[in-house]
Amino acid sequence: QVTLRESGPALVKPTQTLTLTCTFSGFSLSTSGMCVSWVRQPPGKALEWLALIDWDDDKYYSTSLKTRLTISKDTSKNQVVLTMTNMDPVDTATYYCARISNSGSYGAFDIWGQGTMVTVSS
Amino acid sequence: EIVMTQSPATLSVSPGERATLSCRASQSVSSNLAWYQQKPGQAPRLLIYGASTRATGIPARFSGSGSGTEFTLTISSLQSEDFAVYYCQQYNNWPQITFGQGTRLEIK
Repeated sequence: QVTLRESGPALVKPTQTLTLTCTFSGFSLSTSGMCVSWVRQPPGKALEWLALIDWDDDKYYSTSLKTRLTISKDTSKNQVVLTMTNMDPVDTATYYCARISNSGSYGAFDIWGQGTMVTVSS
Repeated sequence: EIVMTQSPATLSVSPGERATLSCRASQSVSSNLAWYQQKPGQAPRLLIYGASTRATGIPARFSGSGSGTEFTLTISSLQSEDFAVYYCQQYNNWPQITFGQGTRLEIK
């Protein structure tokens, strides 16, 4: 069974750096074609893709946020970490990690974590 | 960036009836389009990928069609559990993935 679980602080102050961890099981991110991505959703709003890391350690970022984001993986721990610098109240959202698998659905997010709500406030 | 536009924003349909949701891309995405269902307090769930292929475990009443810039998600006979928000997502412009703004499907 494939699962992903996000963890991190529920509250951060403006200008601080947010660090989120996605811990997954049921697949290996060293398997060719596998990817893990981060997607966020402000309250009552739409989904927004943030970043992606693939099995080959290639990293990709949303054009609008790339200067603030860093994604990394620890294959031995089955974890993917996202850092976002200079947090602002507009970054208040539920942050999801999600998998893209090396199957026919490649490009779509087939399994999602339950999400973690992050509030940015002083 | 490819902009995905969904319509309508809200769709009111009675249980047992058919629902048709639309998604338009600002440029061609070929068939690299997915649909998701999201219920309150839950993560999105993949319904359709490749514009028309149902994901594992998705009931046959859900179907997707279209290619290029125009796509449709059809739910043939609405069940109570189908009332939710639906998002389309393009992955043709890899890896600059973009989502639509969502369609809320509500009970009429």
